[in-house]
Amino acid sequence: DAGVTQSPTHLIKTRGQHVTLRCSPISGHKSVSWYQQVLGQGPQFIFQYYEKEERGRGNFPDRFSARQFPNYSSELNVNALLLGDSALYLCASSLEFSGNTIYFGEGSWLTVV
Amino acid sequence: EDQVTQSPEALRLQEGESSSLNCSYTVSGLRGLFWYRQDPGKGPEFLFTLYSAGEEKEKERLKATLTKKESFLHITAPKPEDSATYLCAVRDNYGQNFVFGPGTRLSVLP
Repeated sequence: DAGVTQSPTHLIKTRGQHVTLRCSPISGHKSVSWYQQVLGQGPQFIFQYYEKEERGRGNFPDRFSARQFPNYSSELNVNALLLGDSALYLCASSLEFSGNTIYFGEGSWLTVV
Repeated sequence: EDQVTQSPEALRLQEGESSSLNCSYTVSGLRGLFWYRQDPGKGPEFLFTLYSAGEEKEKERLKATLTKKESFLHITAPKPEDSATYLCAVRDNYGQNFVFGPGTRLSVLP
């Protein structure tokens, strides 16, 4: 079975631009979470979605938004990119809303120049 | 606010030299403590979930243990392929997000 898949794997954007990152969860998993991992640090929670509704949000500005589709895939959008947004963006899925184990994809590397 | 710290920041071992990684946490009602392995440029790979003090889990050369304040990841007779960053995370009874520590970078030299 396929794991969590993310696209694109790498991208370079200019300050002020917009980016969309995509995630497909493990088949049968209904909950998707997004994390940001800056080099040398652990992942930091951004959002959790379940059944197309936002169920949790971390301490990130409103420039960050996300949505979940009927097939449980998800998009993370970041507007007005800053240099500090450069990071590995990780998507994780779990079976249910309170699924106690989350499984990560390989991530999308975003570089803002 | 939930907090997770990990020590040491980096650890260099010779192949076969056993050691332990530490994860200290403060959480308001522990739902679970999680260990992940992360290779450079890759997403974290799930290793273990521990739920209550005294619980232990094993997988190949790795063994995770849990007390009320910390968890240890014991590595027995490590091999070079065990080189990675090991991340610890907690989840409390009130929120849905995982709070991660900064990780321990393990290097096992042949």
